[in-house]
Amino acid sequence: EVQLVESGGGLVQPGGSLKLSCAASGFTFTDSAMHWVRQASGKGLEWVGRIRSKAYSYATAYAASVKGRFTISRDDSKNTAYLQMNSLKTEDTAVYYCTRPSNTYGDYVGWGQGTLVTVSS
Amino acid sequence: DIQMTQSPSSLSASVGDRVSITCRASQSISSYLNWYQQKPGKAPKLLIYGASSLQSGVPSRFSGSGFGTDFTLTISSLETEDLATYYCQQSYSTPYTFGQGTKPEIK
Repeated sequence: EVQLVESGGGLVQPGGSLKLSCAASGFTFTDSAMHWVRQASGKGLEWVGRIRSKAYSYATAYAASVKGRFTISRDDSKNTAYLQMNSLKTEDTAVYYCTRPSNTYGDYVGWGQGTLVTVSS
Repeated sequence: DIQMTQSPSSLSASVGDRVSITCRASQSISSYLNWYQQKPGKAPKLLIYGASSLQSGVPSRFSGSGFGTDFTLTISSLETEDLATYYCQQSYSTPYTFGQGTKPEIK
């Protein structure tokens, strides 16, 4: 069973930085891409970005709203993905989920419980 | 970027009603369309993947159809436990965009 556990959320001031972690188990992490999705309170789901596996040179892609400020990385030896968030804005306040896409249609069969990031002065 | 337009944003139905939610992509996405159910305070749950394949463990009253740009999620007989927000998502190309969500309410 896919298990994903996010951590690292909290309160940060505008302009600050935060690094989220996603610990994965129950599947072959090294073969899988990892994605991040966020949801502001009372709003819809927003795709944040993804990192592919070593076989695809750890290629990353980001939503326009976070490009240049957020960086996704991974440590295959620890089965962990990361989301480094810099130059945070109040509009980045959201619950952040890590997800694992399937190999067939890229659907997210596994989700973490989410971690809340609050950007406020 | 591919835009996903989901409708309606809300709907009112009675227990036992047949409910349909549509999702339209701004360009063809083949069958790379997924549906999720989200209850308050919980992570989304995958219902349908590949436009029409039912995720394991999901009740058979849920079904999906469509190809290309137009897709539909159908609940054949609405139950109270189906009260949640439903999202479509395209996984054809990054960014993997979501629809705006549909929230049914019981009449």
